[in-house]
Amino acid sequence: DQQVKQNSPSLSVQEGRISILNCDYTNSMFDYFLWYKKYPAEGPTFLISISSIKDKNEDGRFTVFLNKSAKHLSLHIVPSQPGDSAVYFCAAKRGSSGDKLTFGTGTRLAVRP
Amino acid sequence: DAGITQSPRYKITETGRQVTLMCHQTWSHSYMFWYRQDLGHGLRLIYYSAAADITDKGEVPDGYVVSRSKTENFPLTLESATRSQTSVYFCASSGERDSYNEQFFGPGTRLTVL
Repeated sequence: DQQVKQNSPSLSVQEGRISILNCDYTNSMFDYFLWYKKYPAEGPTFLISISSIKDKNEDGRFTVFLNKSAKHLSLHIVPSQPGDSAVYFCAAKRGSSGDKLTFGTGTRLAVRP
Repeated sequence: DAGITQSPRYKITETGRQVTLMCHQTWSHSYMFWYRQDLGHGLRLIYYSAAADITDKGEVPDGYVVSRSKTENFPLTLESATRSQTSVYFCASSGERDSYNEQFFGPGTRLTVL
């Protein structure tokens, strides 16, 4: 049972435009959410996170929005750059779970020059 | 160099052989994790460890064994490799218990079982 879902396996966006990556979760016990970025032949790297007590967190060009009632979060990248082309994983955890993360299946973002 | 490293980066083995993937971190992080990445499944947790000599199963532990005799090392052993264990394996580590720290990932080991 996939508790964290990324229903779009791929996304293509023009350079300079906004990229929106979506993630849905089913476990209401999750209280912390993270986005990771992965380039080919490298390990995932942390991008941005959000606690369930917030509905928005911003870091430069990256903003994560959390809608708890819909169990939905999204990552906005503005403006998109070719270097943003990567696979993006959404992940979720419970504060009491000993740091275990549950990952989504990933969305491959391609930013066209 | 500081960080988290994995070895080997690439490994080809045959069905039935024992394979050990190594993971080493220099941060003295309490938590360490092993994931496998497969198309359509994302990253799935195999085993994790909260501290030296403490390990626990993740989502897909069957066919794998781990140990953690030292804080900095967390080897993953496939006792009798199967083709379904062909995958990319990532080791990760994170800081204090129940804190909201991110996990730091190694570069991965691509394992092919023939």
